[in-house]
Amino acid sequence: DAGVIQSPRHEVTEMGQEVTLRCKPISGHDYLFWYRQTMMRGLELLIYFNNNVPIDDSGMPEDRFSAKMPNASFSTLKIQPSEPRDSAVYFCASSRYKLEQYFGPGTRLTVT
Amino acid sequence: QKEVEQNSGPLSVPEGAIASLNCTYSDRGSQSFFWYRQYSGKSPELIMFIYSNGDKEDGRFTAQLNKASQYVSLLIRDSQPSDSATYLCAVNNAGNSGGSNYKLTFGKGTLLTVNP
Repeated sequence: DAGVIQSPRHEVTEMGQEVTLRCKPISGHDYLFWYRQTMMRGLELLIYFNNNVPIDDSGMPEDRFSAKMPNASFSTLKIQPSEPRDSAVYFCASSRYKLEQYFGPGTRLTVT
Repeated sequence: QKEVEQNSGPLSVPEGAIASLNCTYSDRGSQSFFWYRQYSGKSPELIMFIYSNGDKEDGRFTAQLNKASQYVSLLIRDSQPSDSATYLCAVNNAGNSGGSNYKLTFGKGTLLTVNP
């Protein structure tokens, strides 16, 4: 079975530009999580969905961040406008048994 | 603020030795505990989970949970150079049989180096 798929794997953009990160969860998984990882703050949960519905977005840092899950096999995380402090690795993870989460390869975002 | 604390390391052990990784957590309501391994430049990989007090063994890995003392540990027996990675502890307080909170709080990880 394919694991969690994320695209792009690397993204370099200029401050002020819109960035869209994409995720395809493992087939059959009903929970999807977006995380951000930095050296300073570690791995932080941004938002998670259950059956395509956002359940908890308390980790979303600002209104510049938004996430959608239009169907069971696709989710996006959008940053508009992007800032240098958004530079991080963004992971998507999915879960079928709620707590045992499986991570995608991540998107390394650099905002200059 | 629910916190998960780990010694950042690096923890250095010789090949064949037992590596002991520790994690403490602040939320007494925590019920589910996870260990992830993360190689440099890669994504976290789930290696163990434990829900009940005591020990849980899986191959060379043993997870130990002590809820009274609020700590969870991971033992790696017969350590190999391929075990060199950062180990992340993650905690949840929803339990494994229900609840509405599926958030995991992660520690910042312990870097383990196994020397040949």
